[in-house]
Amino acid sequence: DTGVSQDPRHKITKRGQNVTFRCDPISEHNRLYWYRQTLGQGPEFLTYFQNEAQLEKSRLLSDRFSAERPKGSFSTLEIQRTEQGDSAMYLCASSQTENNQPQHFGDGTRLSIL
Amino acid sequence: AQSVAQPEDQVNVAEGNPLTVKCTYSVSGNPYLFWYVQYPNRGLQFLLKYITGDNLVKGSYGFEAEFNKSQTSFHLKKPSALVSDSALYFCAVRGLGFQKLVFGTGTRLLVSP
Repeated sequence: DTGVSQDPRHKITKRGQNVTFRCDPISEHNRLYWYRQTLGQGPEFLTYFQNEAQLEKSRLLSDRFSAERPKGSFSTLEIQRTEQGDSAMYLCASSQTENNQPQHFGDGTRLSIL
Repeated sequence: AQSVAQPEDQVNVAEGNPLTVKCTYSVSGNPYLFWYVQYPNRGLQFLLKYITGDNLVKGSYGFEAEFNKSQTSFHLKKPSALVSDSALYFCAVRGLGFQKLVFGTGTRLLVSP
């Protein structure tokens, strides 16, 4: 049973650079979510897709952040002009469409900004 | 607005003893409630959920949780703790009509041999 896969697991970059993360959800899951987790905190919601449609975006998702899910399968999260405050773990989750189904998380991409 | 409170940063328990990790929530309408566990440098692993029905829900690895509507609580329990249960535990709530999960700040469980 393949779970949610995220790539890369770790990313170190200099301030001001652009970064892109990829998430491959569980294959039969229509919904895909992105969260951000900083040290000592619980995950915070960023955005979610149902199939290829981006249906909700948090105010945390500034204009430097963009997420796509072009074919309703994998998703990418891009951060432009990275800042120190972007250092965090970026978690992807997926779920089935039924509202009583849990979200299943990947192992995340840890971003460190130098 | 939805919110979750986990009042204990850390819970210490001896192996073999029962454990409780506390969670209270605030949401409009009926809540969907979840517990997740996180091991170091890993994502969140789903343990159990309450959607409707029996107030006591059973989940993975012998964990269970009790939903109490009047106290707006959803405490995680296990009758006999294992050292391998040591990890970070998160409670989360989702309100009706919403898709995002709102998480608490987490409780670190330390089970000593």
